Amino acid sequence: DIQMTQSPASLSASLGETVSIECLASEDIYSNLAWYQQKPGKSPQLLIYYASSLQDGVPSRFSGSESGTQYSLEINSLQPEDEGDYFCQQSYKFPYTFGAGTKLELK
Amino acid sequence: QVQLKESGPGLVQPSQTLSLTCTVSGFSLTSNSVHWVRQPPGKGLEWVGAIWSGGSTDYNSALKSRLSISRDTSKSQVFLKMNSLQTEDTAIYFCTRDHYYDGTYYYGVMDAWGQGASVTVSS
Repeated sequence: DIQMTQSPASLSASLGETVSIECLASEDIYSNLAWYQQKPGKSPQLLIYYASSLQDGVPSRFSGSESGTQYSLEINSLQPEDEGDYFCQQSYKFPYTFGAGTKLELK
Repeated sequence: QVQLKESGPGLVQPSQTLSLTCTVSGFSLTSNSVHWVRQPPGKGLEWVGAIWSGGSTDYNSALKSRLSISRDTSKSQVFLKMNSLQTEDTAIYFCTRDHYYDGTYYYGVMDAWGQGASVTVSS
């Protein structure tokens, strides 16, 4: 199975700051990487797909990038509604696998 | 409007079989695939399996021997059956669908999720 190593596990940042979350794939996944946001008690929501494509309706302060097997989610100008858990997921090979998640809290 | 809704028993006894239903609206099961994803309490996400628009299925190899996914397209319903349940199968089970954009299906990218069905395995 492809392992998705996500870091950091938790993150605390202030309003207006820029943060970055990383996912390292154990093998090449050819940009087949998505990012999801999950708020407490809610279902995950798609933010980014194919490494850097922004899902419709997602604010442009969210962006995705890649470098080799390392994928990043950047959130600019943090807003209160950005608090939550973030997961990466590869869809290149079965079984599809997720990162362990990053909990983002606002100071 | 795309919607998915899971239903099923909240409590299942160990060694018994879990049966969940995902009822979809706003899209056709013959055009789009449906996945099942689960999340144990306080933990991360695990892909369980999928039924593709053509009716074929793929399962997580870790669960394959206990798992069956099927559908009834006339009722817009997808079914998950998992046998020999253990306490570690306690989780919220979500059904989701593949992302479709600008004429392309992005298989395994999940752009709509149900609210989730909470399943507890306990005697």
